[in-house]
Amino acid sequence: GDSVTQMEGPVTLSEEAFLTINCTYTATGYPSLFWYVQYPGEGLQLLLKATKADDKGSNKGFEATYRKETTSFHLEKGSVQVSDSAVYFCALVYGGYQKVTFGIGTKLQVIP
Amino acid sequence: EPEVTQTPSHQVTQMGQEVILRCVPISNHLYFYWYRQILGQKVEFLVSFYNNEISEKSEIFDDQFSVERPDGSNFTLKIRSTKLEDSAMYFCASSTDREETQYFGPGTRLLVL
Repeated sequence: GDSVTQMEGPVTLSEEAFLTINCTYTATGYPSLFWYVQYPGEGLQLLLKATKADDKGSNKGFEATYRKETTSFHLEKGSVQVSDSAVYFCALVYGGYQKVTFGIGTKLQVIP
Repeated sequence: EPEVTQTPSHQVTQMGQEVILRCVPISNHLYFYWYRQILGQKVEFLVSFYNNEISEKSEIFDDQFSVERPDGSNFTLKIRSTKLEDSAMYFCASSTDREETQYFGPGTRLLVL
């Protein structure tokens, strides 16, 4: 079945460091890909998405590119801030289906 | 900005008791969902609901679970006879259409003792 694999973390970075959180997926077709973020005490918020190969999603300085050839959707940010500390979830969904399939979530801690 | 809300934020119950988790989806959304996350595990899809009917459900969503939209604003998940393994964070979500982005609430943490 469909699945999403991401590093579990926690990932600890100093402020202004470069962030990469890897995400790969297994799917029989061409899903839409998402990154959700969960700040402490809050719900899952959509961070960015990409619906087809080579699309780049971006928001709040975060970027991820849909790579069909490597079945990946890695999340990157050039300079993290303490306020980026959260849990980041990679996810996929097929058009026509309603179920979002999530990765395990990666906890990011940014220290001043 | 409109958001999905859930109540309560935490619920503690005894094994075998019934619990109802409540959600208020975004007002113009038509599709509603429940997910759960057992501690240390992935967020898992439970059920989707549209036009007062279940439109998709996972194998987790057995006869112990039911969903309802009792009025124009609330969407509920009922667990009839809770088990220890039902302890999890339960997330509600909603979307405008079946292929549109799902927006999630903050979750209800359920602890079954």
